[in-house]
Parts: sequence; C-alpha cells; structure tokens
Amino acid sequence: SQKIEQNSEALNIQEGKTATLTCNYTNYSPAYLQWYRQDPGRGPVFLLLIRENEKEKRKERLKVTFDTTLKQSLFHITASQPADSATYLCALSLYGNNRLAFGKGNQVVVIP
Amino acid sequence: ETGVTQTPRHLVMGMTNKKSLKCEQHLGHNAMYWYKQSAKKPLELMFVYNFKEQTENNSVPSRFSPECPNSSHLFLHLHTLQPEDSALYLCASSQDRGTSVPDTQYFGPGTRLTVL
Repeated sequence: SQKIEQNSEALNIQEGKTATLTCNYTNYSPAYLQWYRQDPGRGPVFLLLIRENEKEKRKERLKVTFDTTLKQSLFHITASQPADSATYLCALSLYGNNRLAFGKGNQVVVIP
Repeated sequence: ETGVTQTPRHLVMGMTNKKSLKCEQHLGHNAMYWYKQSAKKPLELMFVYNFKEQTENNSVPSRFSPECPNSSHLFLHLHTLQPEDSALYLCASSQDRGTSVPDTQYFGPGTRLTVL
C-alpha cells in the first residue's frame, strides 16, 4: 500500500539554525510534491511545489529537494525564527491530477 | 484570511443528530474539496467538486452527504455519525486550469466536530 512518512517527533531547534524535515514515500510515483504549513486551529497553507524532474526549489528561507531515486523530499528552513514554529505537511500528486495524498506532518518548534 | 470560510468552527453533536457544515470561497475558484483530519492521521480527501459536479468520492460512508449548489458554496450534511467521525473537517478550493500541474489549494480554518 502507499505510504507517506514524516517524522512523528517534534523537531526542536534553536533560533537561527537550519531546520530540516524529511518526507519519505513508498509504492508511489508522484509527479509533484508540495509542502504546506499548518498552524494550530487553522487549515494548511501552501508553501512550495517541486516537480519530479527538479532537484531543488527555493523560496526565501525555504529550500526543498526531491530525490525520486531515494523516494524522498527534504524541506529546509534556514535562519529559523520562532514564527516558523508550526506543523509542516508534505503532499504528493500524480501527473495531471489535483488529488493530493498527505503525510501526517512534522511539528517544528523554534526556540528563541 | 485565505478567502475560504467555514461555519461553524466548532460543532458537538449526538449520534442521532443531523447537522450541516458550510464552506464558502471568495476566490472565484471552480473546484472545491472536503478533507478529514483526525488526530495522528494524515489529511484524507473525502470529496471533490469541479464546476459543481462531484468528480471524486473517496469511499466515504453515506452518513456524509456533500452538496455543491454553486461553485462558491459547499456543504457537508451529517447524519447518524459515529464517535470515530470526530475530527477536523477542512474545506479547500482551487482554480482548475486543466493543466498537468496541480493547482494550489486554499484551505479554510476547518470545523472541529465532536460526536458524542
């Protein structure tokens, strides 16, 4: 069966450091991978999309990599700030399909 | 804030009650979605509507009944729910451009449902 795995343990990180989150998947061949941010009591907010033929994508302090051989995406927040504290979700989708399959999410806590 | 509103924000109901969740999007989008988010579980897609037509029903029990009267409004009618249906129900919308790249989905704040 298809699985999308994100670390269930919260990542506690010192302000200014780089936070790195992992999204692993099995039995899936996604064409696109997205990352969302979710704050308590709110819906997810789209951050970045990366295609299967892209190795890396950046947006301000965020960087995403996509390795289809390892079936893994890494999500980096550089120079982390307390305002970056949230849960981050990865979501996979197939070519030409808006149907998203989400991971459970990984919480990040940035300590001042 | 995202242009997608949901009401009510919190709902407590008994197993014999009938209630409805409402979603409204102010973004001019043509696709709307219902998701379920349970504790310790990933977001699960329940229903998809494109141009008011249901295009996906992800094996959802019939005690959940969606309705999309127009492309701006989406309802989820609930009846005879079970305690395990307690979850955060999220609505989302997107502009389906018909391309291969998935369209960005904009989520509402969700309705926290508790079934007693």
